Amino acid sequence: EGQLVESGGGLVEPGGSLRLSCAASGFTFRNARMSWVRQAPGKGLEWVGRIQRNGDGGTTDYAAPVKGRFTISRDDSKNMLYLQMNSLKTEDTAVYYCVTGLIKWGQGTLVTVSS
Amino acid sequence: SYELTQPPSVSVSPGQTARITCSGDALPNQYVYWYQQKPGQAPLVVIYKDSERPSGIPERFSGSTSGTTVTLTISGVQAEDEADYYCQSTDSNDSSYVFGSGTKVTVL
Repeated sequence: EGQLVESGGGLVEPGGSLRLSCAASGFTFRNARMSWVRQAPGKGLEWVGRIQRNGDGGTTDYAAPVKGRFTISRDDSKNMLYLQMNSLKTEDTAVYYCVTGLIKWGQGTLVTVSS
Repeated sequence: SYELTQPPSVSVSPGQTARITCSGDALPNQYVYWYQQKPGQAPLVVIYKDSERPSGIPERFSGSTSGTTVTLTISGVQAEDEADYYCQSTDSNDSSYVFGSGTKVTVL
């Protein structure tokens, strides 16, 4: 059925960087389009970005608020998805979820941007 | 930017039917997914590709479409259905995903 486990969240100062990881298991990761979705405290869901499977070019798309600051990548040999976040802002504070096929979600990892 | 519009809240008595709408210009040409989220939990898909129900999701959850509006229907609502519900779809260029603002379902 598949499992996704995020890691790498924590407290970071504004302007700092953080790299989130998502470990996938139980499905054919290399065939999956993967996304990151976030949820600020007490707020709704917000799509962050996605990466196509390498067979489809491995291209990425990003939401406007993070474009140019965040980078999504994948390592199919390790069944891993990554989110590199640079130039972090206080408004990036949120739980970040890894999602496959828009159906299976991880439990999320909390990122807090604060001085 | 593309937006999906949901009502902020829906209240329903146990055993009655709850209907949650989601409106967007591109919906006639893009699939919609519906997610249930309870406090402190990750979202759970209850409907995918407009009207498909994943295994393990009760039959009382159903999805339908009509033009630029899609509807999640919960028939015979139970107390455990109290949660936030989000619709999700894609813009007309298939370049980005978007979520509705969410609907809080309260079971009276």
